[in-house]
Amino acid sequence: TQLLEQSPQFLSIQEGENLTVYCNSSSVFSSLQWYRQEPGEGPVLLVTVVTGGEVKKLKRLTFQFGDARKDSSLHITAAQPGDTGLYLCAGDDNDMRFGAGTRLTVKP
Amino acid sequence: NAGVMQNPRHLVRRRGQEARLRCSPMKGHSHVYWYRQLPEEGLKFMVYLQKENIIDESGMPKERFSAEFPKEGPSILRIQQVVRGDSAAYFCASSRGQGPNYEQYFGPGTRLTVT
Repeated sequence: TQLLEQSPQFLSIQEGENLTVYCNSSSVFSSLQWYRQEPGEGPVLLVTVVTGGEVKKLKRLTFQFGDARKDSSLHITAAQPGDTGLYLCAGDDNDMRFGAGTRLTVKP
Repeated sequence: NAGVMQNPRHLVRRRGQEARLRCSPMKGHSHVYWYRQLPEEGLKFMVYLQKENIIDESGMPKERFSAEFPKEGPSILRIQQVVRGDSAAYFCASSRGQGPNYEQYFGPGTRLTVT
């Protein structure tokens, strides 16, 4: 069983739509990271959230860390084809624990 | 500043052979992590090393797998007597330290195919 559950597993949308993906756990993490991974490449760090309730914005991406530091969400506004990729969340639990990811496809 | 380097990018081995995967961390990083990723899955932690020390190998299979990070040179993940189930992408990450204030930066991975 995954320590971190990500949903949805797959998401296919049209360019310009908004979307939210989720990362949930029953464990508390000292920090949580979001990564984007493209085919054939390693994950690239997007953001680290540390404080419960924290919200961070990165252009059209908004990341939120739950108050209890057990869950997080990533919201993308006006998605573009360049946003296509595998979005992974990872929790710092002494070691980094990854979710299985949300595979996002944005169609032009 | 060069990122995390991994080589080879692709490695094909026959069952029973040995696979050696190399990882050079970013400059100034003394902490190295190895992960395995199967198709359509997230990354699974394998081992965490600092220079000359294995700190946590709780994710490493007990047999056939070993890792080192010598004082000089890259970190090596070694898989002896490979089997088909070892086919996966192996990623290395490095950081300046451990904990929430130290971000891990990933290499491009080595894709191991066992035939």
